[in-house]
This record gives sequence, C-alpha cells and structure tokens, in this order.
Amino acid sequence: SQTIHQWPATLVQPVGSPLSLECTVEGTSNPNLYWYRQAAGRGLQLLFYSVGIGQISSEVPQNLSASRPQDRQFILSSKKLLLSDSGFYLCAYAPDSNQPQHFGDGTRLSIL
Amino acid sequence: AQTVTQSQPEMSVQEAETVTLSCTYDTSESDYYLFWYKQPPSRQMILVIRQEAYKQQNATENRFSVNFQKAAKSFSLKISDSQLGDAAMYFCAYSPPSISNFGNEKLTFGTGTRLTIIP
Repeated sequence: SQTIHQWPATLVQPVGSPLSLECTVEGTSNPNLYWYRQAAGRGLQLLFYSVGIGQISSEVPQNLSASRPQDRQFILSSKKLLLSDSGFYLCAYAPDSNQPQHFGDGTRLSIL
Repeated sequence: AQTVTQSQPEMSVQEAETVTLSCTYDTSESDYYLFWYKQPPSRQMILVIRQEAYKQQNATENRFSVNFQKAAKSFSLKISDSQLGDAAMYFCAYSPPSISNFGNEKLTFGTGTRLTIIP
C-alpha cells in the first residue's frame, strides 16, 4: 500500500537558522510531489511541485527551496528562516497526474 | 490569477440534517477542475469530491454532492444525513487545465469552512 511520511511533526526554530523538512513516499514510483504551506486562518498555498527527480517548479518567490534527491523523497529547505516562515507545512503526493493528491500529517513550524 | 472564496468561516448542523457549504471562484479558463477537501482535527487532508468543469452533471459521492453553477462560478458542497465524523475544516480548491485528465498540478485553495456537528 502507498504511504506518505513527513517529519518532524513539530519544530521550533530561531530566526536566521536553517531548515530542512523531509517527506518520503512508499509504495509507488515516480509520484508527483508537492509542498504546501497553511498559514493561520488561510487555505493551503502551493509552494513547490515536482513531477520527477531534479524537476522542481516554484509557485511563489520566497525564502524557501525544495529538492528531490531521490524518486520518492522531497525536501523543503531554507538557509535562513524568517518570522514569516511560520506555519503549517504539508507534503502531498499523487501516484500520477490522473490520481488525487494524498497528504502527509504536516509539520507545525514556529519561528522565534 | 485564480482565486477561491469561501465566505462561511464556520457552519454548524444538527446530526442527521443536511448542510451546504459555499464556494465561489474566479477564472478566465473554460475548462478546469474543482475539488472539496476535508481536514479533520488529525490535520490530514482528505479528498471528498471532484468536479470537471466540462461536465454539466453534478458530482456525487455517497452523502456528498455538489451544486456546480459554471456561469455563476459557484461550487457548493451538500452533506446529507450529517454524521459526527463529518466535523472538520472543508476546503474548496481549483485546478487549471492540465496535461492530465485529473487536474492535479496546481491546486488553489480557499480559506476553509469549519463544520461543527451538533449531536
């Protein structure tokens, strides 16, 4: 069966520190992968999506970057976190573009 | 740019009754996809229902159905026979035409409606 793992569940980081959030998918090959951010009281905002290894599309200019070093691994990073980076980050995958997106449990990121 | 508006931040309904959640969107495209997602307290997002804009027939999924009004750019979700397990945040989402038949590449979400079920 297909599963998605996202960690950590909660993270508290100081301003200016680096960030690395990891997402892995099991049970499928070459999935579409997505990173979303959900700010308080707002809907999900698509940050990045990937249709294959090394193929990353960025939806909004920001302090964050994404990488896909392996087929089923998607990493969200930052070199220096800003206060505005606080939020709830969700990773999602779709086995292919004809399947619905399935979401991970999310990471609550607080910047101090 | 496409926008999705959910004008009801919170809704409540008596158990076993019917409730309708509203959603409007703005787009210049003629072909696109619309979705309703559910986010229970566990925070995991779950797909509830999907509508293809070129289909006039409203999508249904068991107790969930939509009222898709393309000219009015309206996409409401009706939940019949509400159950305690339906309590969640409900998000309306839009996707532009894609290379696939599902419309998965770029979802734009509304701000959500928190649904409470009253026992």
